[in-house]
Amino acid sequence: GENVEQHPSTLSVQEGDSAVIKCTYSDSASNYFPWYKQELGKRPQLIIDIRSNVGEKKDQRIAVTLNKTAKHFSLHITETQPEDSAVYFCAASTSGSQGNLIFGKGTKLSVKP
Amino acid sequence: GAGVSQSPRYKVAKRGQDVALRCDPISGHVSLFWYQQALGQGPEFLTYFQNEAQLDKSGLPSDRFFAERPEGSVSTLKIQRTQQEDSAVYLCASSLRDRGGYEQYFGPGTRLTVT
Repeated sequence: GENVEQHPSTLSVQEGDSAVIKCTYSDSASNYFPWYKQELGKRPQLIIDIRSNVGEKKDQRIAVTLNKTAKHFSLHITETQPEDSAVYFCAASTSGSQGNLIFGKGTKLSVKP
Repeated sequence: GAGVSQSPRYKVAKRGQDVALRCDPISGHVSLFWYQQALGQGPEFLTYFQNEAQLDKSGLPSDRFFAERPEGSVSTLKIQRTQQEDSAVYLCASSLRDRGGYEQYFGPGTRLTVT
């Protein structure tokens, strides 16, 4: 089955710096890759997603890149703000199937003012 | 509009007790997923419903776990004879379509503590 590895497990940056979180997946059939942000005690919320027919997607300060050959995808956050502090999860699924997500273990991002 | 809701938000059970966790998905969403999130980990898939049909229960950790969605809307996850290792946050998610590749909207979760 699918396995998703996520690095780093913790990341601390200064406000205004960029943050990059990387994930790899094992199942070449996976073709949908969402990123979720989870604040302490709150529900996971989708922040951006990408499908395998696209190499990069951007939404304001957030971007995701996908390298299907290498089976890895990354989240890039620019001009970080303290409210970006949270745990970020990458996930993978296959759009042709029922769609249950396989998650990475998460990255705790701390943005210091 | 209303998002996914879950109740109770917190549940403390003595070892051996049965518990029932409720999920109210977004109205009209066909797909419903249950995930288990241990402390400091990512959510792990438990089971999937397409309307009222439970099409995948491969993630349920034991036969003490049972889920249903009898009318294709509200779902209940039941855990019989709870054990300490069942302590986790149980997340429900719903999705509009009957296949992957579409956003899953998560509920706030039920934090289960087994003492």
